[in-house]
Amino acid sequence: DIQMTQSPSSLSASVGDRVTITCQASQDISNYLNWYQQKPGKAPKLLIYDASNLETGVPSRFSGSGSGTDFTFTISSLQPEDIATYYCQQYDNLPRYTFGQGTKLEIK
Amino acid sequence: QVQLQESGPGLVKPSQTLSLTCTVSGGSISSGSYYWSWIRQPAGKGLEWIGRIYTSGSTNYNPSLKSRVTISVDTSKNQFSLKLSSVTAADTAVYYCARDPLEGYYFDYWGQGTLVTVSS
Repeated sequence: DIQMTQSPSSLSASVGDRVTITCQASQDISNYLNWYQQKPGKAPKLLIYDASNLETGVPSRFSGSGSGTDFTFTISSLQPEDIATYYCQQYDNLPRYTFGQGTKLEIK
Repeated sequence: QVQLQESGPGLVKPSQTLSLTCTVSGGSISSGSYYWSWIRQPAGKGLEWIGRIYTSGSTNYNPSLKSRVTISVDTSKNQFSLKLSSVTAADTAVYYCARDPLEGYYFDYWGQGTLVTVSS
């Protein structure tokens, strides 16, 4: 089984800060890594697919990078509306989809 | 704009079968360009993929749930369905249906989710 380790589990930052979340896979997953934003009581929303591609309509302050086992999600300038929980998600050839444990982002 | 909507009982007794349906609007489930998945999320916890179906009826399930899960599709109604048997309190969760592009391995459209509670 491929294990996903997402960190940190929670994060407090100020408006305007640069925020970074990481996701590490236990084995090479190429670029099969995606990032979602989930606000309370809502379904997750796709932000980044295939590690670095910005989903249509998503603000450019969101970005993703990485390949293989190490991936990074960045918000270049935190906005109040970005308060949410963020999840990474990987795909393996079983096939199976696995989500990271989530990062709860709060305003300082 | 594609929309997905889950429906089904919000309360299921232990040992019984949980049954949910996802109705797709704004696009045809038979287009052949997508998989259709079920994902769940216990309160305050993370997301767990349950399984997916293709328009042909071909399915893939999470190995951890495979023995209890059946996903089916009704193209005439533009719906796909989930059955989870022998439920326990651990199956209490918000259940989402979602769309997964054939060329990608992500979920680009989600239903709003429906809470299913397992309790006697």
